[in-house]
Amino acid sequence: DAGVTQSPTHLIKTRGQQVTLRCSPKSGHDTVSWYQQALGQGPQFIFQYYEEEERQRGNFPDRFSGHQFPNYSSELNVNALLLGDSALYLCASSLTPYYGYTFGSGTRLTVV
Amino acid sequence: AQRVTQPEKLLSVFKGAPVELKCNYSYSGSPELFWYVQYSRQRLQLLLRHISRESIKGFTADLNKGETSFHLKKPFAQEEDSAMYYCALKSGVKAAGNKLTFGGGTRVLVKP
Repeated sequence: DAGVTQSPTHLIKTRGQQVTLRCSPKSGHDTVSWYQQALGQGPQFIFQYYEEEERQRGNFPDRFSGHQFPNYSSELNVNALLLGDSALYLCASSLTPYYGYTFGSGTRLTVV
Repeated sequence: AQRVTQPEKLLSVFKGAPVELKCNYSYSGSPELFWYVQYSRQRLQLLLRHISRESIKGFTADLNKGETSFHLKKPFAQEEDSAMYYCALKSGVKAAGNKLTFGGGTRVLVKP
């Protein structure tokens, strides 16, 4: 079992650009959550997807959007990138929103 | 709104000494609390959760609702315990989704 897989592992973008990050959940998991982890801080919740719908959302602007596909994989999109969006983006999957999470290794996004 | 506080950024102890990582929370509902650990170059992983009341790798944590705390303890620290530790609180309901609120993390360094 590959666990939670995220791609790409590293990414460099320019301010104002748009980025898409991808996540494949652990086999059997149907719920995907996204977190942003800035340097030296704990992860912050962005949103959670279950049954292809956004179920919960954290305190992030509309520039952050997501999608869940029928195979439970998910994408995180960020528009109009700011320097402050530079962070490690973590994906976590679970079996329904009720159970514990398995985290991926993350995508390191650098905005220059 | 929920909040998790880990007052110590860094804990440095000698091998064989006790270690205690502090975690305090604020939450209006019934809390479900976790400790996650991140070893060097590895992904975030669940260490333990309060509802299971178990000991993992010699670590225990007791939920004290009166003091709104969930401190992590180990009587005899080992060098392999050196890692980043995050306290997290899960909030939300099954149908509407849930999220984890993380503390800022405590880095533990166990010296030989």
